[in-house]
Amino acid sequence: DAGVIQSPRHEVTEMGQEVTLRCKPISGHDYLFWYRQTMMRGLELLIYFNNNVPIDDSGMPEDRFSAKMPNASFSTLKIQPSEPRDSAVYFCASTGHRQGTEAFFGQGTRLTVV
Amino acid sequence: GENVEQHPSTLSVQEGDSAVIKCTYSDSASNYFPWYKQELGKGPQLIIDIRSNVGEKKDQRIAVTLNKTAKHFSLHITETQPEDSAVYFCAAPQGGADGLTFGKGTHLIIQP
Repeated sequence: DAGVIQSPRHEVTEMGQEVTLRCKPISGHDYLFWYRQTMMRGLELLIYFNNNVPIDDSGMPEDRFSAKMPNASFSTLKIQPSEPRDSAVYFCASTGHRQGTEAFFGQGTRLTVV
Repeated sequence: GENVEQHPSTLSVQEGDSAVIKCTYSDSASNYFPWYKQELGKGPQLIIDIRSNVGEKKDQRIAVTLNKTAKHFSLHITETQPEDSAVYFCAAPQGGADGLTFGKGTHLIIQP
């Protein structure tokens, strides 16, 4: 397996524009997580899915953020409208089971909002 | 929810010496404690983990110890090598959810 695949690797956009980040989890994994990494706040869990169903979105910072998982092999994280403070590295991770197993992370998407 | 504190934020050691990174957690119900290594431009990668039913686990030069009473766990790296230079994160389960709460990270620098 190629691991968790995220696209794009880098995204630069202007404030107010819509941004869509994409993730393909490892085949067979039931859980998919979206994390955000910044210098100030470190790694924060935004939302996670189990069997394509959103379970906990309490980490999503604002209504401008939304995430979907239309099938087992694809998820998106959308920011609309984007703001400079959304600049961060966004990671997708997947696991095969609940707590207590390895989470496999993608390479991340570095988002810069100018 | 869970709160994870990690120290130090930066650690510089001579090649060949040992490095120790410490974390504390707040939720006494937590039972799984992984450590992740993140290299520049990459996502975090699991290097070792420990469950609450054991006090120590070793994997070659890496070991993790857990003190459930004190609610702290530590990462020990012996005979450090240049390739050990990276940012290390400890983590614990995020309360009743299935995600992880991460520490703020330790930038480990191995001096030649």
